[in-house]
Amino acid sequence: EAGVVQSPRYKIIEKKQPVAFWCNPISGHNTLYWYLQNLGQGPELLIRYENEEAVDDSQLPKDRFSAERLKGVDSTLKIQPAELGDSAVYLCASSPYSTSGTDTQYFGPGTRLTVL
Amino acid sequence: GEDVEQSLFLSVREGDSSVINCTYTDSSSTYLYWYKQEPGAGLQLLTYIFSNMDMKQDQRLTVLLNKKDKHLSLRIADTQTGDSAIYFCAEKRDRGSTLGRLYFGRGTQLTVWP
Repeated sequence: EAGVVQSPRYKIIEKKQPVAFWCNPISGHNTLYWYLQNLGQGPELLIRYENEEAVDDSQLPKDRFSAERLKGVDSTLKIQPAELGDSAVYLCASSPYSTSGTDTQYFGPGTRLTVL
Repeated sequence: GEDVEQSLFLSVREGDSSVINCTYTDSSSTYLYWYKQEPGAGLQLLTYIFSNMDMKQDQRLTVLLNKKDKHLSLRIADTQTGDSAIYFCAEKRDRGSTLGRLYFGRGTQLTVWP
């Protein structure tokens, strides 16, 4: 079974430029998450989707960040314009619907963004 | 406090046991998780424990949960050099505006010496 796929793996851009990250979750997983991981820190949730609906986006900086999950499968996270402080690893995760409530999340390898 | 706390570094000799400790914040958290992250990779789920359990064992891994003190530990028996990685503790908070969110610690860098 294929895991969570993310692309690109690395991205270097200049500040004020736009950037987009793509995520393909594990087949059949209805919940998708985007996390931000700063150097030396644990992941922090940016947004959570249940199918195509964003059910938890209160930690997404909406002035410059946007996300979409059309058709409830793939998702794109965008930053426009990027700032120096956005340099970090952006992780995507997915989880299946679970009646037991564990919501076990499976993570992709992440996209490492460097803003110059 | 509001943060999940972990010590940042742990060094052990190959073959010894490793114990990584974590203090979480919310007594109502339902699930506690341990994830492993190797360089350049995403997080790999190692194990989890439900909050009404005291202990869970899975091969070389033993998780102990002290709900009264909100303390979680991960013991790795017979630690190998391949266990060298960053280990993250996470709690799933299930109330209010944080319903269903995972909160992670900063991670413990485990170094295993041959």
